[in-house]
Amino acid sequence: DAGVIQSPRHEVTEMGQEVTLRCKPISGHNSLFWYRQTMMRGLELLIYFNNNVPIDDSGMPEDRFSAKMPNASFSTLKIQPSEPRDSAVYFCASTPGHVPYGYTFGSGTRLTVV
Amino acid sequence: RKEVEQDPGPFNVPEGATVAFNCTYSNSASQSFFWYRQDCRKEPKLLMSVYSSGNEDGRFTAQLNRASQYISLLIRDSKLSDSATYLCVVNLSNTGKLIFGQGTTLQVKP
Repeated sequence: DAGVIQSPRHEVTEMGQEVTLRCKPISGHNSLFWYRQTMMRGLELLIYFNNNVPIDDSGMPEDRFSAKMPNASFSTLKIQPSEPRDSAVYFCASTPGHVPYGYTFGSGTRLTVV
Repeated sequence: RKEVEQDPGPFNVPEGATVAFNCTYSNSASQSFFWYRQDCRKEPKLLMSVYSSGNEDGRFTAQLNRASQYISLLIRDSKLSDSATYLCVVNLSNTGKLIFGQGTTLQVKP
């Protein structure tokens, strides 16, 4: 099992550019979560999906952020336009069900907006 | 008030020491509790679940006090490899949604 796969591992972009982060959950896991981690705020849940349907997006900071899960094996988190305060590590995680057990995180995408 | 609060540390201890981390949570409806470990520039990984009766896994002991909304982690006989950030994690209403504390940093020195 390859685990949760995120790409890219690192992204450096200029302010105002569109950024797309990608995640492939573990096969058979039907819940997917996007988190953001910064020194100031720690790990924050942005949005989560169950069976490809967004269940809770209350953590999405503003309209510049959007997330999609077009199928069970792929999700994207998009920031448009990006700002320097979006610089953080973005983690994707998946679980086998609508339960808190079996959480597996990807290696994260380290985003720097200059 | 943050939903999950931890002392950020750092805790600097010598090898072989016993160290304890504490955590409080604000939502009394919280159902499940965990400790995660995060190494520098890595993803968080599950260390152990926390059960109402308390539980032990080798050198690690976790305890839960629902009345005080308090969780603890005790590490005995600290090893250099225990150096990491320990995240207190709470789940609400048995959904998949986990709420993370900001973490407590442990540095074990020779």
